[in-house]
Amino acid sequence: EPEVTQTPSHQVTQMGQEVILRCVPISNHLYFYWYRQILGQKVEFLVSFYNNEISEKSEIFDDQFSVERPDGSNFTLKIRSTKLEDSAMYFCASRLDRAGDTGELFFGEGSRLTVL
Amino acid sequence: SQQGEEDPQALSIQEGENATMNCSYKTSINNLQWYRQNSGRGLVHLILIRSNEREKHSGRLRVTLDTSKKSSSLLITASRAADTASYFCATVSPDYKLSFGAGTTVTVRA
Repeated sequence: EPEVTQTPSHQVTQMGQEVILRCVPISNHLYFYWYRQILGQKVEFLVSFYNNEISEKSEIFDDQFSVERPDGSNFTLKIRSTKLEDSAMYFCASRLDRAGDTGELFFGEGSRLTVL
Repeated sequence: SQQGEEDPQALSIQEGENATMNCSYKTSINNLQWYRQNSGRGLVHLILIRSNEREKHSGRLRVTLDTSKKSSSLLITASRAADTASYFCATVSPDYKLSFGAGTTVTVRA
């Protein structure tokens, strides 16, 4: 069964460092998402991506964050100059299409980021 | 805010009992979905109910939707220890933005 894969599963970094989280969405999906879940809290929307550009972003997704689909398969989230409060589980998700699909998002297992 | 809010925050039941959790939301939706998250793991889609549907079943899961009250419920029948997880409702707006609620933590005691 196709699945969304994320790497790394866990990354520990020093405050101020840059981090890149990688995702491989399901191959025929067209919409891609990043969500964040701080420990014990709700899952928060960060950004959606369609047709090689950001379609929507939340207020959390400030200039510190960027997304890219560099090679048609990977979908990356870059966090520049990490802060302690960036420590969270980051989930990538993908969806087939807007029209005619079930609307179901397929999530990866997440990348846990710990900023020290 | 579009986000659903689950109730209760936590639920502890005996194996074999039914578990019911509710979700309320504030604005119009295209559909409402329920996800499960085992501790430290990713989110798994359970069931989707469209705004023009009132009830849906999938195995031991039953979801209802009342758009007039802007609420949904998820019922897990004959619960098992493996059902122990956090359950999140997610509302999908007419422009397809998906937003999660805070979740209900369900503990099924053997």
